[in-house]
Parts: sequence; structure tokens; C-alpha cells
Amino acid sequence: DSGVTQTPKHLITATGQRVTLRCSPRSGDLSVYWYQQSLDQGLQFLIQYYNGEERAKGNILERFSAQQFPDLHSELNLSSLELGDSALYFCASSVAGRDTIYFGEGSWLTVV
Amino acid sequence: GENVGLHLPTLSVQEGDNSIINCAYSNSASDYFIWYKQESGKGPQFIIDIRSNMDKRQGQRVTVLLNKTVKHLSLQIAATQPGDSAVYFCAEGANNDMRFGAGTRLTVKP
Repeated sequence: DSGVTQTPKHLITATGQRVTLRCSPRSGDLSVYWYQQSLDQGLQFLIQYYNGEERAKGNILERFSAQQFPDLHSELNLSSLELGDSALYFCASSVAGRDTIYFGEGSWLTVV
Repeated sequence: GENVGLHLPTLSVQEGDNSIINCAYSNSASDYFIWYKQESGKGPQFIIDIRSNMDKRQGQRVTVLLNKTVKHLSLQIAATQPGDSAVYFCAEGANNDMRFGAGTRLTVKP
């Protein structure tokens, strides 16, 4: 158990809908990351937050947004969902952002 | 942008043999490297890391080698076991930017 908690574990939704994925980082970690992993694909970095502020942005679509709250938990919002958005979405956390990243177990999103 | 081992090769080894998984990186500014193991349907799990001021680091049954001259990172697993079957990712870090390769799928034959 990495200490990073993600909910929900599985989610099935229809095209055009909006979902919110939630992440609680490890205790003491200030940095939160979101990654997308499609079938047999590598980890695609979406976005990173540090202590509530956006620190780095990767290949995140405009239909997606994220935030980190004062209690350091984070949410990833996916809207106008398309079939191609079906993937595993991982949250990860680290102490400060230049050290080891620990991953949660992921949220499986299926868009039908 | 810089890429880290984007192809997903497959390595098949016999149980008990040693495994060597390789990773090439291209960002010469990277100073921190990590190997992760990802089992099917699970999140990547930290295995071992190494900083750029070292060229070798050993853990339990695993060794990471870093060759900065040719920008190459390898993970050696001794006495590979069926439980080692997974996808292994290398990751490189530089200036608060951590990038992951596509991974290598390791299959252990009994």
C-alpha cells in the first residue's frame, strides 16, 4: 500500500458526461500528480500540483481540469467524455516534487 | 520534448535466471532515476532509485546501473521469480519534471 488513495476504483459512464476522480496523497506529501494510462500505453503525465498551486502541465486536454484543495487532496474533472478517454487514471504524490513519486491504485474509467 | 524509452519491448526469462531490463534516456540534465514495477490492474510500485552522482545501487535482488556517458539505465533482477512478471518502467527526473518510459513487459516462464 503506497498510502495514496484514489476513488472511485471503477467508473462506467456515457459519452458526453462528466466525472470527477478524487485523490488523497500520502500523509505529509505536498505534491500531487495525475497520469493517464491507456491500454498498453505508457504513463502520460497530465498535471502536477504543489501545495495547492499548479506546478506543471503535461498533455492534459482542455476538457480536463484539476485542482488541489487546502487539505491537499486533489480532484481531476473530466468533461464531455469521449470513448477515447477510457483509461486508467493514476494519482501520485511526493513530498516536494523532486523526489520519489508514489502511485495510487488508479481509477478505471470506461466511457461507453 | 525529451523521451524516455517510449517503445514497449517484451522480455521473457526462465524462472531462476537473471533479468536485465534496459532503458535509454535523452535528457542529459536528468539527475534522478527511478524504476517502477506495474502489475496488471495495479498502480506502479517503486522498486529502486539512483541519483546521477552514482553509477550503481543495489537493493534486495535488484541492481540499478546508470551509464551517463551513453544515457543508459538498466535494472537487473537476480533469480527471477514468477512474481516478478510485470511491466517495468524507468523514469527520469530533472528540474521537478519526472518523465516515464513506455515500459518493458517481463514474463517469467516456470
